[in-house]
Amino acid sequence: QVQLQESGPGLVKPSQTLSLTCTVSGGSLSSGNYFCGWVRQPAGKGLEWIGRIHTGGGATYNPSLITRVTISVDTSKNQFSLKLSSVTAADTAVYYCATWPPGYWGQGTLVTVSS
Amino acid sequence: QAVVTQEPSLTVSPGGTVTLTCGSSTGTVTSGHYPYWFQQKPGQVPKTLIFDTSNKLSWTPARFSGSLLGGKAALTLSGAQPDDEADYYCFLSYSGVMIFGGGTKLTVL
Repeated sequence: QVQLQESGPGLVKPSQTLSLTCTVSGGSLSSGNYFCGWVRQPAGKGLEWIGRIHTGGGATYNPSLITRVTISVDTSKNQFSLKLSSVTAADTAVYYCATWPPGYWGQGTLVTVSS
Repeated sequence: QAVVTQEPSLTVSPGGTVTLTCGSSTGTVTSGHYPYWFQQKPGQVPKTLIFDTSNKLSWTPARFSGSLLGGKAALTLSGAQPDDEADYYCFLSYSGVMIFGGGTKLTVL
């Protein structure tokens, strides 16, 4: 069974860069044809797609975040990462990592942007 | 940027059938949009129910099915159970850019 686990700081100061890593177990990113991506959910609101990267390289991003976001993958470590720069309070949310297809999700991690 | 539309809320009786839809502001939803459906209960992680229009995961109950219907992606629940009360989200791919719908709050009552 594939499992994903997010890790990273739960508190980030405004204007700084949010950095999260997703570690995959129970499956190898180097042996499949997957998209690895990130989704976030502000408290009480819906899901927002942040972006994704193919295990073979090549990323696409939410147009509203494209100037601030970078997603990378390290198949040797079975990990992929999210960097979101110049954060504001509006970036406070639960951040989920996921792989598609077929759609495995991490447990989510709350990131709060506050000084 | 395209907008993905879902019914804000629906109600179904226990044992009843309901269809949730996922439409696109750009026109007809096709298999090329690779529709996904997710279920999220309060305080829980979203769970993928359907990928690529109609494919189920090992944990997807048989009472859920995905299809294309009337120019939209559709999630049909046949034989609703109280445990199916949740928020349901779809997402569509637009040349690799994924967009979520606003979600449907399904009440089983």
